[in-house]
Amino acid sequence: SAVISQKPSRDICQRGTSLTIQCQVDSQVTMMFWYRQQPGQSLTLIATANQGSEATYESGFVIDKFPISRPNLTFSTLTVSNMSPEDSSIYLCSAADNHWFFGPGTRLTVL
Amino acid sequence: QKEVEQNSGPLSVPEGAIASLNCTYSDRGSQSFFWYRQYSGKSPELIMFIYSNGDKEDGRFTAQLNKASQYVSLLIRDSQPSDSATYLCAVIHSPSNDYKLSFGAGTTVTVRA
Repeated sequence: SAVISQKPSRDICQRGTSLTIQCQVDSQVTMMFWYRQQPGQSLTLIATANQGSEATYESGFVIDKFPISRPNLTFSTLTVSNMSPEDSSIYLCSAADNHWFFGPGTRLTVL
Repeated sequence: QKEVEQNSGPLSVPEGAIASLNCTYSDRGSQSFFWYRQYSGKSPELIMFIYSNGDKEDGRFTAQLNKASQYVSLLIRDSQPSDSATYLCAVIHSPSNDYKLSFGAGTTVTVRA
């Protein structure tokens, strides 16, 4: 199974700033995804990170707010832009090879 | 709207009992079904997957899939306090869905010692 690491593990940010979250997989994977898990809620898919092209966003999520990069088959970044307290959440990177695995998550608090 | 729904919790069971978790899905074309366990403050961990109708057993866990009725269940036998967690049902709706997982809201299980 793929092992996924994320940085940072947590952060506290001020309103209006941006944070970039990094996701590193220990092997090449076909698919990478970004999810959000708000307090007490289940996981909501933000976007599919496509290698070498623009990410595919789910309804309710836009590139200007959540720009995503995926320069190769093992790495992706998610930026949360112009943050507000409503963005406080856990952001999870996921990778799929034969199965789907999750990184440890980034706990973001926006003040 | 493609949905994944789970029976509402929390579910409290005594140690040694069977915990039964249910999940229904709306898209009849769904192909793949997963159960994840999530401990508080941790990321989801895959514990079972099932693709075909019937039962699939792995240790104390049994997943049951009935595509005609559009439900998938998870049984935890001989429940242990370490099984106390939130269990998430996840579905891939169809092969053309680019392998995106859709999650239910989760069922929180508490095993009483």
